[in-house]
Parts: sequence; structure tokens; C-alpha cells
Amino acid sequence: NAGVTQTPKFQVLKTGQSMTLQCAQDMNHEYMSWYRQDPGMGLRLIHYSVGAGITDQGEVPNGYNVSRSTTEDFPLRLLSAAPSQTSVYFCASSGTRTGSSGNTIYFGEGSWLTVV
Amino acid sequence: GESVGLHLPTLSVQEGDNSIINCAYSNSASDYFIWYKQESGKGPQFIIDIRSNMDKRQGQRVTVLLNKTVKHLSLQIAATQPGDSAVYFCAETDTGGFKTIFGAGTRLFVKA
Repeated sequence: NAGVTQTPKFQVLKTGQSMTLQCAQDMNHEYMSWYRQDPGMGLRLIHYSVGAGITDQGEVPNGYNVSRSTTEDFPLRLLSAAPSQTSVYFCASSGTRTGSSGNTIYFGEGSWLTVV
Repeated sequence: GESVGLHLPTLSVQEGDNSIINCAYSNSASDYFIWYKQESGKGPQFIIDIRSNMDKRQGQRVTVLLNKTVKHLSLQIAATQPGDSAVYFCAETDTGGFKTIFGAGTRLFVKA
């Protein structure tokens, strides 16, 4: 059981380039989301999905697109990279956890993105 | 607006002592709270959670306390170990587990 897998781990982009961060989960979770984490700050929600074919915006959606064609995959697209998008990106899925009171978010290992 | 914040950005404790990390939340309608631990270079990992109908929940060496009157959440770590050194986040969420709001985090340093 791999959990949440995201790629690439590290990426350097030039301003204006586009790219896609891949995310896959094998826990059959309906809910998936993307967060960004900047130095000294908590995680901010970019986009989320409550199931295949359904996506919605989070706190900081500008400059990013998502799609959810399958339950397993939730890619994040940067349309035209800007230095302000330099950050660490975390994909997450949400589901029940043995011993917990509700749905728990499971995070991937992170993708370090630098835009120059 | 709704927010979850932490009182202390850093906390330094001696190995073997107990640690207490505090968190304030502003949305009294929040139903579910989670503490996450994030080690350097890794994604956040679940530690313990608590529903709004509870005041206290215990895990292995960790206890979460919820005071709804003052909208305060705390994480207590007993007999803190060097492996506990990390950034700890509190998070406020609904039962669906998405649109979760995270605090800025507290960095815990454990001195040997």
C-alpha cells in the first residue's frame, strides 16, 4: 500500500513555463486535494476534489488547474509559472483511519518547485 | 475570517520532559481537529485527532485537549524524545476532511 504518491520530487522551471505535478493514491479515497507550503507558513489549500469529475477551488487557486478523471489520480497544472509559485507542494487524500474520529488527511512526500 | 493559529512558533524542551504545544482556533462551528507532525523534507503525518464533542483524547505518549469555551487546542507529548523534534501543526476541519485550515506550525526542539 503506497498511500499518496506524487512526482516529481524536485523541479526547476523558468518563468512562463507550464508543468504538471502528478498525484496518485491507492486507498480508494474520494477526497483529494493540493496544498502549497511556504517557509514559515502553514499549508494553504489550492484545489480539492470530492470525487471523480468534481473539483473546486481552495484558498489560493489562481495560476493552477486540476482535473479528476479517475478516483486514483489528481494532477495539478501550473499554467504559466511565476516566481511566486516557488513553494513545496503537497498532494493529499482523505479517508477514514482506524482509531480516529473522522476522516484523516494523508499527505504525499512533497514536490519542491523553484521558478526562476 | 476563519483561522487556526499557534501561540508559540518555537518550543525547546529537554529530553525526557513533557512538551505542550498550543493552538487557537476561531471557527466555533468546527467539528474536528487534528494534530500533524512534519519532519524535515517530508509531508505532514497524522498524530492524533479529536471531535468537538470531546474534551480529551489520549494516544501513545500524546494527549490532545480541547477547550471549546476559549477555542483552544493543545498537544501534550510525554517524555519527549529526540525523535519528536519536528514542526507540529494543528488543523481544523469538517467531518468530510477537506477544506482543512492549518496553523502556521510550531517547531519543537528536543535537547539531549
